[in-house]
Amino acid sequence: SYELTQPPSLSVSPGQTATITCSGDKFGNKFAYWYQQRPGQSPVLVIYQDSKRPSGIPERFSGSNSGKTATLTISGTQAVDEADYYCQTWDSNTGVFGGGTKLTVL
Amino acid sequence: EVQLVESGGGLVQPGRSLRLSCAASGFTFDDYAMHWVRQAPGKGLEWVSGITWNSDNIDYADSVKGRFTISRDNAKNSLYLQMNSLRPEDMAFYYCAKDIASAGMEAFDVWGRGTLVTVSS
Repeated sequence: SYELTQPPSLSVSPGQTATITCSGDKFGNKFAYWYQQRPGQSPVLVIYQDSKRPSGIPERFSGSNSGKTATLTISGTQAVDEADYYCQTWDSNTGVFGGGTKLTVL
Repeated sequence: EVQLVESGGGLVQPGRSLRLSCAASGFTFDDYAMHWVRQAPGKGLEWVSGITWNSDNIDYADSVKGRFTISRDNAKNSLYLQMNSLRPEDMAFYYCAKDIASAGMEAFDVWGRGTLVTVSS
């Protein structure tokens, strides 16, 4: 089965850039989606189709995808961005999530 | 307001069945594919099943294939998940999620608050 690999955790200081990676075989041939999940809350879509931002998502969130790695970048990270982030794609008509990255802002 | 509200979770013994429901409001339900995604307490997200707007295409994760059945009633703006032969590893919060496309296999842009399924004797 298809697998997506994310680093378990990442720490950044406020105002710095957070870069969260997601790798999978031939991932560049698929779309990447990113979700933010704050503690005790439901996931929120922050990036779709590799690099598109849904309405209401701040411009500091951006995404890219090439080769085997998709990347979620948060520029000027704020305390409110502290959350778990999950990448997701589709393979053989089934949804696949990465294991999630816990972003700590301190 | 666009909203998804799950119900039907609870405590069930291994091997028994449970039916989850998801009530949708605030958008044209039959314009979009729908999905169930689950999350075991303290763990990551797992896609469970998806259904296209007209129920023509349905897919399942290997972990639930043959035991779970997804369905929808567009007249009632509702999504369902029939879960049979439940196992302890099925214990999780079950989220209903809306796809951004009618044919599915796109992003999940609206999520419910989830309903907890506990499988234990």
